[in-house]
Amino acid sequence: GENVEQHPSTLSVQEGDSAVIKCTYSDSASNYFPWYKQELGKGPQLIIDIRSNVGEKKDQRIAVTLNKTAKHFSLHITETQPEDSAVYFCAAFPQAGTALIFGKGTTLSVSS
Amino acid sequence: DGGITQSPKYLFRKEGQNVTLSCEQNLNHDAMYWYRQDPGQGLRLIYYSQIVNDFQKGDIAEGYSVSREKKESFPLTVTSAQKNPTAFYLCASSETGLGATLHFGNGTRLTVT
Repeated sequence: GENVEQHPSTLSVQEGDSAVIKCTYSDSASNYFPWYKQELGKGPQLIIDIRSNVGEKKDQRIAVTLNKTAKHFSLHITETQPEDSAVYFCAAFPQAGTALIFGKGTTLSVSS
Repeated sequence: DGGITQSPKYLFRKEGQNVTLSCEQNLNHDAMYWYRQDPGQGLRLIYYSQIVNDFQKGDIAEGYSVSREKKESFPLTVTSAQKNPTAFYLCASSETGLGATLHFGNGTRLTVT
């Protein structure tokens, strides 16, 4: 089955810096890759996603890139703010009728 | 407001007892999911259901059971066979199909002693 690896497990940056989180997946049939943000005491929420026919997608300060050949995708957050501090999960969707498989998460801390 | 409701937020049980976690949604979603979250382990899939009266095992289904008798409800039972039941449990729902966004509840933290 699908396996998603996520790095780093923790990331500390200064306010205004950029943050990058990387994920790899194992199943070449996977075709949908979302990113979720989890704030303390809450459930994860979708922040951005990308499909396999697109190489890059951007939404204000966040962007996601996908390299299907290498089977890896990354989340980029620019101009980080303290409210970006949270746990971020990448995920892959193996095929229709199944469910998202998540990475182990990255705890991002943005200090002011 | 539409959303996913998990109750209770905190649950305590003695070892050897079965316990059922509640998950209700009013988003009219066909699909529902249960994930388990442990520190450093991410979100691991326990069970999912694409439609009423049907469900499939996820990666860590052993020691758990579910039912899907109604579209809006997907309760999870943690049985005494689950060796390490203490964890944070997240329920989610979505429309079916590629790219459907998962809507998560705020979780139930289960502690078994």
